[in-house]
Amino acid sequence: QKEVEQNSGPLSVPEGAIASLNCTYSDRGSQSFFWYRQYSGKSPELIMSIYSNGDKEDGRFTAQLNKASQYVSLLIRDSQPSDSATYLCAVVAGNEKLTFGTGTRLTIIP
Amino acid sequence: EADIYQTPRYLVIGTGKKITLECSQTMGHDKMYWYQQDPGMELHLIHYSYGVNSTEKGDLSSESTVSRIRTEHFPLTLESARPSHTSQYLCASSDLTGPTVYGYTFGSGTRLTVV
Repeated sequence: QKEVEQNSGPLSVPEGAIASLNCTYSDRGSQSFFWYRQYSGKSPELIMSIYSNGDKEDGRFTAQLNKASQYVSLLIRDSQPSDSATYLCAVVAGNEKLTFGTGTRLTIIP
Repeated sequence: EADIYQTPRYLVIGTGKKITLECSQTMGHDKMYWYQQDPGMELHLIHYSYGVNSTEKGDLSSESTVSRIRTEHFPLTLESARPSHTSQYLCASSDLTGPTVYGYTFGSGTRLTVV
């Protein structure tokens, strides 16, 4: 089992709709969780961090964490074509290193 | 402005050449990392450092080596480049405080092509 698992997609969402990206992790001791956005040919850019159970909102982005289910998600409201990118889930486990998922490719359809 | 810099941005080099990819950060972060990423593929950690004179190999075996003589500088060296080394190399740094890690900051990357 991979330490961090994401649906590889691709995920296609109409412009203006809600995009939902999911991630599960295997280490119950994980305490820090991140979502990165990576445009093709570019480096990853941190867009959300979450450390405690519940929801965290930042503009059109909402991160959700459920440690009991070992599940973290990212919701993007009012999706825009500029949101088309690969989204990487990353988790800090006991070894204090960031482990990345394989990423979900999101396409927003105008 | 605090940031992390990688040079060169693009590099095309012949087989057998020695190359050094530069990475510098101005944030005073103790922890620095090198990742390798092929187009459309996942990130693989190849080296990391938790401070001066501390370097460790990552999860993916790599023929490259690294050094950390100064906090702000974490160069990666390939003694003899091969076509199999063609990839994007991403440098990152982070500030670890207790059990909460603040997300890594990535440089712009170096796209290496070995011909």
